[in-house]
Formats: sequence, structure tokens, C-alpha cells
Amino acid sequence: QKEVEQDPGPLSVPEGAIVSLNCTYSNSAFQYFMWYRQYSRKGPELLMYTYSSGNKEDGRFTAQVDKSSKYISLFIRDSQPSDSATYLCAMIDSGNTGKLIFGQGTTLQVKP
Amino acid sequence: SAVISQKPSRDICQRGTSLTIQCQVDSQVTMMFWYRQQPGQSLTLIATANQGSEATYESGFVIDKFPISRPNLTFSTLTVSNMSPEDSSIYLCSVPGLINTEAFFGQGTRLTVV
Repeated sequence: QKEVEQDPGPLSVPEGAIVSLNCTYSNSAFQYFMWYRQYSRKGPELLMYTYSSGNKEDGRFTAQVDKSSKYISLFIRDSQPSDSATYLCAMIDSGNTGKLIFGQGTTLQVKP
Repeated sequence: SAVISQKPSRDICQRGTSLTIQCQVDSQVTMMFWYRQQPGQSLTLIATANQGSEATYESGFVIDKFPISRPNLTFSTLTVSNMSPEDSSIYLCSVPGLINTEAFFGQGTRLTVV
């Protein structure tokens, strides 16, 4: 069993739709939960991070963490064609600075 | 934020040869990380490169296959040795940010072995 599971998609939605991206994990030691966005032929860039459980909102993006279910989500409101990218969840436990465990990544396409 | 330059951005190599990938950071960093991103797969950490000491390799990766150099605090190289088609992948270097949840990545090196 992989430590982090993420549906690779692809996911195709019309412009303006609400997008829900999800990951599950098995290691209860994970404390920090990140979402990275990777455009084609580029390296990943940090989109949002959350510590422990709860929600975090940044503009059209909302990250949720449910540690009891070992489940994290990223919601994108009013999706735009420019949101088309691969979204990777990543996690880190409190003792491993810089060592990230990534999900497989979900490819999202937002159609105009 | 850190700016990371990786070279080459892509290459097509013959099996049995070696390729050295360079990673240059615009600031001094203690740790640099090398990841592999195989087609349709997640990023997998190959090794951690610390300046002044041997690199630390993750399970499944060995120094003979992926030798790493770290001559100073802004530069590192990863060599993919004796390549086979299974080594076709994107290789990325990364450095941590000010907070340990943040990592900055280079644009990656897309390697195809034929």
C-alpha cells in the first residue's frame, strides 16, 4: 500500500465549475499537508499548505484536512482554463524537514 | 523564494551511457534533494545532498547508479549511470524553503533512454 494515494484522473470540467481533488494517506505521523501545482514541462510549485486538521482558504482555493479519516481535499471554485495542470498532494511528518511524500498527482483540464 | 536552474532541460541518451544533471540555486542552502518523476507516477525522492558529506540515498536507490556531487552550497549534480530505458523519467532537484513545508523545484530534466 502506498503511503499516499491520489486518483490520477484525468479530470475534465467546464469553466466555472467547482473542482474537488482528494488524497488519502496511511501514515498517522503526517502533520503537514501540501498541495503543489505542476504545469506541463515545469517543476511543481507550492499552492497551499495546512498544518494538522482543519480548513484553509486562499482566494478560489480551499484546502481541507481530516486527520481522523486520513483524507485531504483541495477545492477550486470558479475554475479557470489557467487552472489546467497536475495537482499533487504532499505530506511530511514533523521529524523530516524537507522530505516530502507525494501523491501520484491528478491531471485537471478546465475547458472554456 | 529560491530560483533553481537545471541543465539540461531534456536529453535523449543511448542505453549504457551516463548523463550528469546540474542544479544551480541562487542562494546558499544546506540541503538539496533529487527526485524522480516517472510517467504517470508520483515524485520519488532519490537522495538528499548535503554539502561536505556523502549524499543520503532512499531505499531502492544506490550511489553507484546515481552518484551525486555537492561541491558547494549553491550547486549539485546527479549522474544517471549505465542508463537503461527504465531510467526514462523526469529528474528534479529541490531545496527547502524557510518553512519545512515548502520546497522549491527546478523545471526538471526530461530524460529519454533509447
